[in-house]
Amino acid sequence: DQQVKQNSPSLSVQEGRISILNCDYTNSMFDYFLWYKKYPAEGPTFLISISSIKDKNEDGRFTVFLNKSAKHLSLHIVPSQPGDSAVYFCAPGGSNYKLTFGKGTLLTVNP
Amino acid sequence: NAGVTQTPKFQVLKTGQSMTLQCAQDMNHEYMSWYRQDPGMGLRLIHYSVGAGITDQGEVPNGYNVSRSTTEDFPLRLLSAAPSQTSVYFCASSRQGSEQYFGPGTRLTVT
Repeated sequence: DQQVKQNSPSLSVQEGRISILNCDYTNSMFDYFLWYKKYPAEGPTFLISISSIKDKNEDGRFTVFLNKSAKHLSLHIVPSQPGDSAVYFCAPGGSNYKLTFGKGTLLTVNP
Repeated sequence: NAGVTQTPKFQVLKTGQSMTLQCAQDMNHEYMSWYRQDPGMGLRLIHYSVGAGITDQGEVPNGYNVSRSTTEDFPLRLLSAAPSQTSVYFCASSRQGSEQYFGPGTRLTVT
């Protein structure tokens, strides 16, 4: 039973446009939510996070939105750049340090 | 500050062989964990530790052992390798409630 679902395995956008990556979760005990970015042959790197007490967090071109009632979060990248092409993982966590990862979405930004 | 380091980067084992994947961090993080990543499966938690002398099982612990004798090191042992353990292994560390930092990964093939 998947607690974290990223229903789009891949997404392709044009450079300069907005990329929207979605994540749904089922566990209401998650109290913080992280997004990781992963390039091939490298470890995941932390991108942005949001606490369950907030509904939006922004960091430069990256914004994460959280809708707790819908158990849904999304990552917006605007404007998208070719260097953003990577796999993006949604990873909620709770009070016990543990993160639960989604299966990831492969973002391709075309020049 | 090297962050999280993993050795080796690549390893090929025959079925039944044993080996230890090394992981070290120099950030004085209390939490360390091991994940495996398989195609289309995201990252799955194998074992984790919340401090020296404390370890616990994650989602997919069978076939793996861990120990945590120091804050810095968290080795993962495969006692009798099986082809099903062919995967990319990532070690991560963090403080409580903060993002996890990942190592570069070990690509293991079991023939």
